[in-house]
Amino acid sequence: QSALTQPASVSGSPGQSITISCTGTSSDVGAYNYVSWYQQHPDKAPKLMIHDVSNRPSGVSDRFSGSKSGNTASLTISGLQAEDEADYYCSSYTTISTYVFGTGTKVTVL
Amino acid sequence: QMQLEQSGPEVKKPGTSVKVSCKTSGFTFSSSAVQWVRQARGQRLEWIAWIIVGSGQTNRAQKFQGRVTITRDMSTSTAYMELSSLTSEDTAVYYCAAEVPQGTIRFDHWGQGSLVTVSS
Repeated sequence: QSALTQPASVSGSPGQSITISCTGTSSDVGAYNYVSWYQQHPDKAPKLMIHDVSNRPSGVSDRFSGSKSGNTASLTISGLQAEDEADYYCSSYTTISTYVFGTGTKVTVL
Repeated sequence: QMQLEQSGPEVKKPGTSVKVSCKTSGFTFSSSAVQWVRQARGQRLEWIAWIIVGSGQTNRAQKFQGRVTITRDMSTSTAYMELSSLTSEDTAVYYCAAEVPQGTIRFDHWGQGSLVTVSS
């Protein structure tokens, strides 16, 4: 199972919106609405930000939103803040009952 | 409060095995699933395997077939991941994460990570 493809880096100024893409195949992203997004700060465990493509766990800011079209999922961060600077990973459930992560995207707040 | 407490750092020689533990609390262990993920320094997250705790059913990434064993101890609410035939490429932080309840396809709760270093 190959890693899902994400841009290596995305940047934006405070207050702006950015979008991170996550491209897979019909065996993972395109198969189900089981895409999750994780935020990871340096030397910390990942934190779940979005599950089931577009659902936010309790406590996660509504500035984070998710969507999917075909084999590509997206995470949008609106009203970018300094604390959003981190690595972001998508993850998808697959048709063989495994999971696969994305290549990761470093978000920089300018 | 749901918690996952992982075992401490390990240093292993190439060709040996390592067993990492993940002790859980604050939720019904038997109704959960636990996944294992690793991350080499400066690298991406890599999915290893998972176990449906109640049934004991496991599945693993093809890359780790034949080399990883996932088990659980219901009496102590602890999950284990054992990786054999270690090489330097297995040097990484290993995380466990829980899906509560099992079947929700969301891993909200993560351990703090366990550093495994493989070196001769």
